[in-house]
Amino acid sequence: DSGVTQTPKHLITATGQRVTLRCSPRSGDLSVYWYQQSLDQGLQFLIQYYNGEERAKGNILERFSAQQFPDLHSELNLSSLELGDSALYFCASSGGFRGEQYFGPGTRLTVT
Amino acid sequence: AQKITQTQPGMFVQEKEAVTLDCTYDTSDPSYGLFWYKQPSSGEMIFLIYQGSYDQQNATEGRYSLNFQKARKSANLVISASQLGDSAMYFCAMRETQGGSEKLVFGKGTKLTVNP
Repeated sequence: DSGVTQTPKHLITATGQRVTLRCSPRSGDLSVYWYQQSLDQGLQFLIQYYNGEERAKGNILERFSAQQFPDLHSELNLSSLELGDSALYFCASSGGFRGEQYFGPGTRLTVT
Repeated sequence: AQKITQTQPGMFVQEKEAVTLDCTYDTSDPSYGLFWYKQPSSGEMIFLIYQGSYDQQNATEGRYSLNFQKARKSANLVISASQLGDSAMYFCAMRETQGGSEKLVFGKGTKLTVNP
């Protein structure tokens, strides 16, 4: 158990809909990262937050947005969903001096 | 931009034998960190081992060790005494930092199958 929690574990929704993925980092970790894993793109970095502030953006679509709240949990919002958004979405947190990231169990999103 | 290359899509090993998973990287930063993660069929990503660019010795964590060859820009993962539970996808990753931002760049992974 990495100490990072993600909900829900599975999500099935229709095209055009909006969903929210939730993540709680390990106790004490201030950084939260979101990654998308798909068969064709592999593991792709989406966005990083540090103590409530956005620090880095990767290959995140404009239809996607995220935020980190004062209690350090984070949410990833995906809107106007398309079939190609079906993927495993990971949240990770870090706080160690080596910068290693600990991943949550992931949310498997299926868009039908 | 940094890049990670894992050239072995799949590897097979007999139980109790050692196996090496290859990883080469490309970066112009003098300071960097390399990581290996394991992803079993259940899907979670498990941190295995870390190697810093300035570390004098190769990293080891139990049955996992890193064969770090800085001049060749390679960071191969060695798993000794393979177990059936080692069957999984293995990803090599590099930490990319810029200002206060940080992210991991992953290779495409190697699928390891341990045969009894």
